[in-house]
Amino acid sequence: DAKTTQPNSMESNEEEPVHLPCNHSTISGTDYIHWYRQLPSQGPEYVIHGLTSNVNNRMASLAIAEDRKSSTLILHRATLRDAAVYYCIRSDEKLTFGTGTRLTIIP
Amino acid sequence: EAQVTQNPRYLITVTGKKLTVTCSQNMNHEYMSWYRQDPGLGLRQIYYSMNVEVTDKGDVPEGYKVSRKEKRNFPLILESPSPNQTSLYFCASSFRAGGNEQFFGPGTRLTVL
Repeated sequence: DAKTTQPNSMESNEEEPVHLPCNHSTISGTDYIHWYRQLPSQGPEYVIHGLTSNVNNRMASLAIAEDRKSSTLILHRATLRDAAVYYCIRSDEKLTFGTGTRLTIIP
Repeated sequence: EAQVTQNPRYLITVTGKKLTVTCSQNMNHEYMSWYRQDPGLGLRQIYYSMNVEVTDKGDVPEGYKVSRKEKRNFPLILESPSPNQTSLYFCASSFRAGGNEQFFGPGTRLTVL
């Protein structure tokens, strides 16, 4: 039970914004929402996380629905280096990754 | 440099031969964790540790042991490896569980013949 649901794959054009959706309908009040990404042949890399409010950092933005049952990772201007598998994760003590969304960037 | 290190990076062994994969972090993190990654299954958590001498099962703990005697080290032990434990293994650490960034090691590719 991955506890989150993401599309298997998405494509986006280079230099355009990308919105990666995630459903986590059974989230509890204390679970954080994390996003990680994994580039080919590398370990997962932290992208962003949040609890209730929208969050921004140098890599991305995280928009969390008011009921917290879904969230969206926003890459504001995709580059070829953003091509990776993106994982949305509910986090308490355990992190359950699921199979993620494979993002392809089209030049 | 803040990092999580794993050794060995690659290992080929035979069924039943005990092995240990080491994991060490230099960030004074309380939380450490082991994952395995298999094609089509994503990353699955094996064991995690909230602090020294505190460990707990993740989603796929069968066939694995861990220990946390020191804060910086979290070895993964396979007492009697089997071919279904052939996988890519990642160690990770964070300051605490929950709302903290996890730092991942480079991975250990294990093949059990």
